[in-house]
Amino acid sequence: EADIYQTPRYLVIGTGKKITLECSQTMGHDKMYWYQQDPGMELHLIHYSYGVNSTEKGDLSSESTVSRIRTEHFPLTLESARPSHTSQYLCASSDTGANYEQYFGPGTRLTVT
Amino acid sequence: KNQVEQSPQSLIILEGKNCTLQCNYTVSPFSNLRWYKQDTGRGPVSLTIMTFSENTKSNGRYTATLDADTKQSSLHITASQLSDSASYICVVSDRGSTLGRLYFGRGTQLTVWP
Repeated sequence: EADIYQTPRYLVIGTGKKITLECSQTMGHDKMYWYQQDPGMELHLIHYSYGVNSTEKGDLSSESTVSRIRTEHFPLTLESARPSHTSQYLCASSDTGANYEQYFGPGTRLTVT
Repeated sequence: KNQVEQSPQSLIILEGKNCTLQCNYTVSPFSNLRWYKQDTGRGPVSLTIMTFSENTKSNGRYTATLDADTKQSSLHITASQLSDSASYICVVSDRGSTLGRLYFGRGTQLTVWP
């Protein structure tokens, strides 16, 4: 079973608050990803990282930011939460290679009121 | 435009019955195709991954097929169980970028009734 963790699992927060969603993996993977998923919709890549000090924006524009100071840790931050940020956020990691397996965390369900 | 389309959108079957889920894609250049199972409120879990040269791959009661010529894949579930109730997502990877871009379908929501 993949060892990738996300906290918190559920978060309800007011508009304007700063939040950080945590993601950690113990598999030593270089690549890590953040996806956003709304109910009944496909996953959208919002950020990814090839390794320490490497971060890139994904296909879906997001007001969030990420950092990668350690291999195992890839937190996502929203400086000022808005109701439009309400969604499920999924973190994933993978090894290198053409047919790499991508392992997903359990997700964080964010609700901004 | 690279896309992944899945059908049906939702499916209800009785426990013990078989079912087949479909996936059509237009992703090019093709690298591999994956099927994931996503339980409600959880992250996706990989079931199978197939490359261009593979036609069939099984994982227990799950059997995936791939026709790279017609760009179609199917996931067959045998002797369904209540725990099979989940969303099944087809994901296609391309070879056109270093990242190995993944294209996600919207999933088929399967409900197994007792």
